[in-house]
Amino acid sequence: DQQVKQNSPSLSVQEGRISILNCDYTNSMFDYFLWYKKYPAEGPTFLISISSIKDKNEDGRFTVFLNKSAKHLSLHIVPSQPGDSAVYFCAASARTGSQGNLIFGKGTKLSVKP
Amino acid sequence: DGGITQSPKYLFRKEGQNVTLSCEQNLNHDAMYWYRQDPGQGLRLIYYSQIVNDFQKGDIAEGYSVSREKKESFPLTVTSAQKNPTAFYLCASKSGGLPETQYFGPGTRLLVL
Repeated sequence: DQQVKQNSPSLSVQEGRISILNCDYTNSMFDYFLWYKKYPAEGPTFLISISSIKDKNEDGRFTVFLNKSAKHLSLHIVPSQPGDSAVYFCAASARTGSQGNLIFGKGTKLSVKP
Repeated sequence: DGGITQSPKYLFRKEGQNVTLSCEQNLNHDAMYWYRQDPGQGLRLIYYSQIVNDFQKGDIAEGYSVSREKKESFPLTVTSAQKNPTAFYLCASKSGGLPETQYFGPGTRLLVL
């Protein structure tokens, strides 16, 4: 039973346009959410996070939006660059009762075409 | 240079053999984690350790063992009981308390001969 779902296995975007990656979760106890970027044969690198007390967090070209009522978050990348081509993982954590362990989605492969 | 190192980058296992994957961090992080990634799958938690000399099973601990004798080190042994060990193994660490951001090593690819 997947608690964190990334329903789009892949996404293709033109360079300079916006990339929107989506993530849904089922556990209402999740209160901290993260996005990681991963290149093939490398470890994931942390991109951006958001606490459930916020609905938006921005860092440069990356913005994460959280809709708690819909149990949905999204990562916006503007403008998209070819170097952004990678697999993006959404992860969630419940700070109480789970020792802060992360639950990961299956990832979305983003391709940014020049 | 602070970070997490994993070795080797590639590891080959013969049938019936135990192999050990190394994970070292110099970030002074309290917690360390081992994940397994299979093609098209997310990261699945094998074992984790919040403090030295203590560790807990994750979602897929069968066929694996760990130790945490030092804060900096969290080696993972893939035993012969693990029937499908071919995967990409990732080690992560995080500081104690909030936030829950984990930082990952470069990974080890394990292949069965």
